[in-house]
Amino acid sequence: DVKVTQSSRYLVKRTGEKVFLECVQDMDHENMFWYRQDPGLGLRLIYFSYDVKMKEKGDIPEGYSVSREKKERFSLILESASTNQTSMYLCASSLDRGGNQPQHFGDGTRLSIL
Amino acid sequence: AQKITQTQPGMFVQEKEAVTLDCTYDTSDQSYGLFWYKQPSSGEMIFLIYQGSYDEQNATEGRYSLNFQKARKSANLVISASQLGDSAMYFCAMSVYAGGTSYGKLTFGQGTILTVHP
Repeated sequence: DVKVTQSSRYLVKRTGEKVFLECVQDMDHENMFWYRQDPGLGLRLIYFSYDVKMKEKGDIPEGYSVSREKKERFSLILESASTNQTSMYLCASSLDRGGNQPQHFGDGTRLSIL
Repeated sequence: AQKITQTQPGMFVQEKEAVTLDCTYDTSDQSYGLFWYKQPSSGEMIFLIYQGSYDEQNATEGRYSLNFQKARKSANLVISASQLGDSAMYFCAMSVYAGGTSYGKLTFGQGTILTVHP
């Protein structure tokens, strides 16, 4: 089975801090994704990566950056955390560039910015 | 741009009965895929079923089936013989192929909370 592991289930940080969310997948998938989930809005794509060191903006990239130095690891960075970034963050991976591959998700990180 | 609409914020069903969760989509692309995911209260997203736009048969996976009506741009999820463990949030999602460079990006709907009563 595919395993996508997010480093923390719950995280509390302060406004202005630099925050790192880590995600690791163990199935040699090419694509990795970061979403945030808010009530009534579903999941919204922040950034994705289709190869090592490659990244593309999603629908809501403002205030975030990402890093993919190794194929299995995709990090989401909040450069200067703000209270409106309090949310559930979900990482996912999929096999290749074909649109018919399901994404496999981690358990999510509930991030609170105080 | 793609859009997914789930018009039912919440649905209730009696245990052992069938339930249909609605999903409509909007895209100008001819090649696309439709997915359903389940999210229990614990938070993980579980892939349930997939339907490709050129698939002639409706997809089925165990108790899950996808009622695909291409002309109406709808992809409703049907759960047969509901169980208490089916209580969860359900998301409909879409990807478009666009010459093979979709990278598997998904556009999600807002979700439907399903509650199964004993």
